Amino acid sequence: NAGVTQTPKFQVLKTGQSMTLQCAQDMNHNSMYWYRQDPGMGLRLIYYSASEGTTDKGEVPNGYNVSRLNKREFSLRLESAAPSQTSVYFCASSDSQGNTEAFFGQGTRLTVV
Amino acid sequence: DQQVKQNSPSLSVQEGRISILNCDYTNSMFDYFLWYKKYPAEGPTFLISISSIKDKNEDGRFTVFLNKSAKHLSLHIVPSQPGDSAVYFCAASGSGNTGKLIFGQGTTLQVKP
Repeated sequence: NAGVTQTPKFQVLKTGQSMTLQCAQDMNHNSMYWYRQDPGMGLRLIYYSASEGTTDKGEVPNGYNVSRLNKREFSLRLESAAPSQTSVYFCASSDSQGNTEAFFGQGTRLTVV
Repeated sequence: DQQVKQNSPSLSVQEGRISILNCDYTNSMFDYFLWYKKYPAEGPTFLISISSIKDKNEDGRFTVFLNKSAKHLSLHIVPSQPGDSAVYFCAASGSGNTGKLIFGQGTTLQVKP
């Protein structure tokens, strides 16, 4: 059981380049999320998708776009990367029925130079 | 402003002793609280949770206590083991969507053999 799978695991971008982080879950969860983790700040929500076909902004959405491709997949796009977007990105999913925890992927370490 | 705070960046305890990790929150609308554990280069993994209608929840060596009047929760690990050494994140939810979380900054626990 793979759970939540993120690709790539590591990426180095130059300022201004674009890229898409991919996320897929095999738990049949309705809700999916993208978080970023920076030193001393815990994890912060970038965007989430409560169900297939819907997306909403989280705490720190500027500079990002998302696509809920289907129930399994939720991608995060950086259109023009900036050094401030250097971070570790985590995708997560949860069953929106009742109080159940979110499951996280292993993360993507992104460096923008 | 930080709605969920973990004021101790690090904690060191001896194997077999109790570890107590603390978390404070400011938003009285939070109704579900979770603790996640994170090892280096891995995603956070769910540890234990508590609903705001309870004041205690136990799972094996882990117990979470919630004091709503003080807006404070704590995680007790008894007895502590070297494998418990990790970063612990407190998280809160208030939207009915338990994957849409506000995280604390994390506390690094070191359990010495």
